[in-house]
Amino acid sequence: EAGVTQFPSHSVIEKGQTVTLRCDPISGHDNLYWYRRVMGKEIKFLLHFVKESKQDESGMPNNRFLAERTGGTYSTLKVQPAELEDSGVYFCASSQWMGTQYFGPGTRLTVL
Amino acid sequence: GEDVEQSLFLSVREGDSSVINCTYTDSSSTYLYWYKQEPGAGLQLLTYIFSNMDMKQDQRLTVLLNKKDKHLSLRIADTQTGDSAIYFCAEFRDDKIIFGKGTRLHILP
Repeated sequence: EAGVTQFPSHSVIEKGQTVTLRCDPISGHDNLYWYRRVMGKEIKFLLHFVKESKQDESGMPNNRFLAERTGGTYSTLKVQPAELEDSGVYFCASSQWMGTQYFGPGTRLTVL
Repeated sequence: GEDVEQSLFLSVREGDSSVINCTYTDSSSTYLYWYKQEPGAGLQLLTYIFSNMDMKQDQRLTVLLNKKDKHLSLRIADTQTGDSAIYFCAEFRDDKIIFGKGTRLHILP
């Protein structure tokens, strides 16, 4: 069974540009999460989808971040416009039920 | 507080046991996890323990949970060079995972 996949693995953009990250969860997992780790800090929760609905978006830092999960399968996380402090590793995770979450390899975002 | 606390670094000689300690915050957390991140790789779920358990053993890994003190530990027996990674302690709280900053395990020859 394929695990959680994320694309791209690495993105380098300039401040003010737009970037879209993609996550494909494990097939059949209704729960999809986004987390991020900025340099030297903890991995922090961003938001949680149940199927196509946003269950909890309390961790989204500001309105420059937009997450979607149309159709309840893959999800995208768009950052527009990107700022320097958005640099970090963005992880996606999925789970079949509340509890054990399986993480993807992450997307390393560098904003110059 | 809200933080899951763990030491940032640990150095261990190859063949010795590694013990990584963690304190968490919410006594009602149902699951506690250890995730492993190898260099250049993603987060791998290493093991987890239900809050109603005191200990869980899986091959070279032993997880101990002290609910009274909100203390979690991970013991790796016979540490190998392949165990070199960052180990994240985490708790499941409010339908999300709360992570510590990670402990970087360095293996000495």
